[in-house]
Formats: sequence, C-alpha cells, structure tokens
Amino acid sequence: GQNIDQPTEMTATEGAIVQINCTYQTSGFNGLFWYQQHAGEAPTFLSYNVLDGLEEKGRFSSFLSRSKGYSYLLLKELQMKDSASYLCAVRDSNYQLIWGAGTKLIIKP
Amino acid sequence: EAQVTQNPRYLITVTGKKLTVTCSQNMNHEYMSWYRQDPGLGLRQIYYSMNVEVTDKGDVPEGYKVSRKEKRNFPLILESPSPNQTSLYFCASSLSTPDRDLGGYTFGSGTRLTVV
Repeated sequence: GQNIDQPTEMTATEGAIVQINCTYQTSGFNGLFWYQQHAGEAPTFLSYNVLDGLEEKGRFSSFLSRSKGYSYLLLKELQMKDSASYLCAVRDSNYQLIWGAGTKLIIKP
Repeated sequence: EAQVTQNPRYLITVTGKKLTVTCSQNMNHEYMSWYRQDPGLGLRQIYYSMNVEVTDKGDVPEGYKVSRKEKRNFPLILESPSPNQTSLYFCASSLSTPDRDLGGYTFGSGTRLTVV
C-alpha cells in the first residue's frame, strides 16, 4: 500500500529552527509537496520538490532524497504565525496526490 | 483574483436530506477534486475530475456523487447523508498537465458539514 509518515506534533520556540520530516512509500513518484494549514482553514501551497536536493524559499526550505523516500521541511526564524499543521503529499505514478496526516507545529514564546 | 469558491462554509443537516456543496474555480483548471478531512486521518480524496464529463472515484467515494458539466464547476452531492459523513470538506483544482503543475493545488475555503 501507499504510505506517508510524518510526526503527529512538534513544539518549537519563537525565533528558533525546526525540521519536519516526511517519509513515503508510494506507487511511483512524480513530485513531493508541502502545504501549510491553519486550524479550520484551507491548506496553502509551500513548496514542491521533484529532484533531489534543497529548495529554498525565504524562511522555508524543503529537501528531497528520492532514493531514501525522505523529505523534510525546514522553518527558520520561527514566528508565532507559523503555528499550524504542515502536510506532506506525494504525487504517485497516476498523478494522484497521496497525503500524510500532517504535523501540528506549536510555537512557544 | 484566482480562487476556488466553495459554498456553504457551514452546514448542519439531518440524516437522509439530500444536499449539494458547490465548488467553482476561475483559473481554467482542468483538474478538480473533492477531499474530506477528519482528525488524525489527513486529507482523503472522494472524487476527482481530469476534465469536463470525466470523473473518477477517489479513496472514499461511497455515499457521494459528483458531476462535471462545465470546466469551472464541480459540485459534490450527498443523496442521503449519514452522521459518518460529518467532516470538513475541501474542493481543490490544478492544471492537469504534469510538467505545468508546479504550483500544486488551489483549495477552496472548506465546508464544515454536520449530519445529525
């Protein structure tokens, strides 16, 4: 079966750095997405990786290793507004998105 | 403004009373999809559509119907809602051509449905 694993919850301090990991086992691979979702709101697109390596976008970076079935989202200079759930999703061989259950990130002052 | 519009945002209904949740996008996207989101389970796909008049079942299609008569609209129909369909529903759209689809999905604001 297809599976996306991410930690259920993480806690970090304002101003610090946090890394959210995602491992996947899917039928084929056509890209990995990270989304941010505030409670009760729609997910919003953060990043997309299809090749191995690091993609940097401001305070957020995303890394991919296809051989290891592994990605991480790195958030720097954490702000209180970064408190949200972070969803990892992999597009499989049928170009369908397989979603992880999400990681709830709690930022403390 | 490019967006996906879902209505209603909140709905409380009774078991067995047919309802429709509307979804419309103004980005000329070919691909549209419906998800439900439940605590601890993440997003689960109900139905999706690759283009007009083309729809396919997702992971949890039972109890739902969809139609895609026009490119911009993709309504979700619950013919006879039951309490286990109480959930947060999202509509999403994207370009369907893989090499153009670098931005991922655009989601609607969500519909919180309660069936009593």
